[in-house]
Amino acid sequence: KAGVTQTPRYLIKTRGQQVTLSCSPISGHRSVSWYQQTPGQGLQFLFEYFSETQRNKGNFPGRFSGRQFSNSRSEMNVSTLELGDSALYLCASSLLARDEQFFGPGTRLTVL
Amino acid sequence: GENVEQHPSTLSVQEGDSAVIKCTYSDSASNYFPWYKQELGKRPQLIIDIRSNVGEKKDQRIAVTLNKTAKHFSLHITETQPEDSAVYFCAARGSYGGSQGNLIFGKGTKLSVKP
Repeated sequence: KAGVTQTPRYLIKTRGQQVTLSCSPISGHRSVSWYQQTPGQGLQFLFEYFSETQRNKGNFPGRFSGRQFSNSRSEMNVSTLELGDSALYLCASSLLARDEQFFGPGTRLTVL
Repeated sequence: GENVEQHPSTLSVQEGDSAVIKCTYSDSASNYFPWYKQELGKRPQLIIDIRSNVGEKKDQRIAVTLNKTAKHFSLHITETQPEDSAVYFCAARGSYGGSQGNLIFGKGTKLSVKP
């Protein structure tokens, strides 16, 4: 089976812009979670989707949003980008919410 | 909410020695504890996990122990090899009213294995 894929792998944006990141889970997996990884804060949970519904949300501002489609693919959007949004954004998929999560390669976002 | 503390933040061992990384969690409802290994520039990879109905789990040179009373769990790597060098993350997830919570990660431990 193909692993979790994320596109794009790298992005450079400027402050105030918005960005959309995409995640394709392992075939058959219905749960997708998003994380922000930075050197100082480690891996921080953004949100989790299961069957197109957001089940959990982390402590991030409303500028961060996401959605999941009927084929389980997920997108996250960040509006009005700030310098502090520069990070590696990782998504992880699991068969069901209680199962082990498998990570994608991440999208490296740089905000200038 | 859940909080996961991980120690040490860096660990250096000689090849062949054992390495131990410890994590504590705050929420007694947590019932799933995975460990991830992240090599430089790569994605985190699940190396072992344990659920709260088990006290210990082994997979070749890797073992995880869980003490629910003390709310801590540990990763043990025996006979370390240079390829074990990476950042290791612990995590915890709870169950609330039949619904699964999200994973909360520790800050990571950078393990260096010297040949």
